[in-house]
Amino acid sequence: EAGVAQSPRYKIIEKRQSVAFWCNPISGHATLYWYQQILGQGPKLLIQFQNNGVVDDSQLPKDRFSAERLKGVDSTLKIQPAKLEDSAVYLCASSYPDRGTLHFGNGTRLTVT
Amino acid sequence: GDSVTQMEGPVTLSEEAFLTINCTYTATGYPSLFWYVQYPGEGLQLLLKATKADDKGSNKGFEATYRKETTSFHLEKGSVQVSDSAVYFCALSPRSGGYQKVTFGTGTKLQVIP
Repeated sequence: EAGVAQSPRYKIIEKRQSVAFWCNPISGHATLYWYQQILGQGPKLLIQFQNNGVVDDSQLPKDRFSAERLKGVDSTLKIQPAKLEDSAVYLCASSYPDRGTLHFGNGTRLTVT
Repeated sequence: GDSVTQMEGPVTLSEEAFLTINCTYTATGYPSLFWYVQYPGEGLQLLLKATKADDKGSNKGFEATYRKETTSFHLEKGSVQVSDSAVYFCALSPRSGGYQKVTFGTGTKLQVIP
C-alpha cells in the first residue's frame, strides 16, 4: 500500500511569514494526526482528526496554527504568522480509528529565520 | 496525564553488543505500548508493540516485554548492527475511548560503531 505522503519536504521562511503543509494519508485510514517534532525531542501532538472532525486540538497554538481535513482525506496545516520557535519537523500520521499503530510520513522540515 | 520516560542518549555501542533502552510509563488503566524507530531523514515507523501485561513484542531481533508491575517496556536486542543506528521512541496509547491518542517519549539515539 502507498504510504503517508507529505509535502513539501523542506521549507525555509522568515518570521512573520505564513506557511502551509499538506498530507495525504493511507487510503482507508479515518484518523489523521499532525505532530510537531522539535530537534532532540519526541513528537508532540498538535491535532487529531477522525474523518473530517477534530478529536483533539488541545496543544495546537490556535492563535497562529490552523488545520483542516476536507472530505475526510487530505489535510493541510497552516502557520500564520510563523515564529522562530516554530522551527521543527512537522509529521503527519494516519491510522485506523480503533488501533494505536500510526503510519508516519517523512515529515516537513521547517526552518524559520 | 499520560507520559512516557526514556533513558537519555545518545547510546554508543560496538557492533554485536547487547542493547537495552529503558522505558517507563504513567497512565491510567492498561495502555497499549509501542516502540517506534526513526532512521535518519525518515519518519517514524513501528518497530514492535504489546497490548496487554506480560505480552512480548518482537521484530527484527528487538524485543520488549510489557511489565505492569514496574510500568516498564524496555527495548532489548542481543546483538546490534550498524544498520540499527537510529532514534528509538517509546510510546503509549490508552485503551479507553474510541480514539487513539499516542503519547511519545523524548527518544533515545543509538549509534552503533563497527
